[in-house]
Amino acid sequence: AQSVTQLGSHVSVSEGALVLLRCNYSSSVPPYLFWYVQYPNQGLQLLLKYTTGATLVKGINGFEAEFKKSETSFHLTKPSAHMSDAAEYFCAVSDRGGNKLVFGAGTILRVKS
Amino acid sequence: KAGVTQTPRYLIKTRGQQVTLSCSPISGHRSVSWYQQTPGQGLQFLFEYFSETQRNKGNFPGRFSGRQFSNSRSEMNVSTLELGDSALYLCASSPRTGSYGYTFGSGTRLTVV
Repeated sequence: AQSVTQLGSHVSVSEGALVLLRCNYSSSVPPYLFWYVQYPNQGLQLLLKYTTGATLVKGINGFEAEFKKSETSFHLTKPSAHMSDAAEYFCAVSDRGGNKLVFGAGTILRVKS
Repeated sequence: KAGVTQTPRYLIKTRGQQVTLSCSPISGHRSVSWYQQTPGQGLQFLFEYFSETQRNKGNFPGRFSGRQFSNSRSEMNVSTLELGDSALYLCASSPRTGSYGYTFGSGTRLTVV
């Protein structure tokens, strides 16, 4: 069975500081990996995804993530936090060709001015 | 291009009643998935439909059911509502089955009293 662990249910950074949200996954097969963001009272918006190819994936709003197979990790980063980045972020895994996402518990990002 | 549309946005039902939620996918998308989001259990997969066929089902009781119509629109039904069914129900669509980055709707907030 697949699973996702997001380290830190809450992360707080200052505006302009580096954002690092951690995600580790467990999968018996090569995974597809995703990061989604959720703003209050909204659905999920896809930030980026890794399926095959380059392990460093660039997404929307300046976010990127690197797939590290040896570490079973897919951490999300952004060089400089903006107030509008405050939201909840979810890491998810799927098996290749699968039709089901398994989500982590989520990390709430707070950006301080 | 219209996104994934879920109706209604908010719903209040009484224990024991049944409820039907609707999801209209992005035009051309043939795969529709449903997820339940609660503070305690997080995001959990309910089921996925593709070409009017259920392709995968999560670990939910039989009170939870769904269907997909020939125009790819989907409905999910919950019978004999329990207090624990209070949740945000999210629908997501994709061009085809397989998790290639689903687009989520804004959800239906169901409150059972």
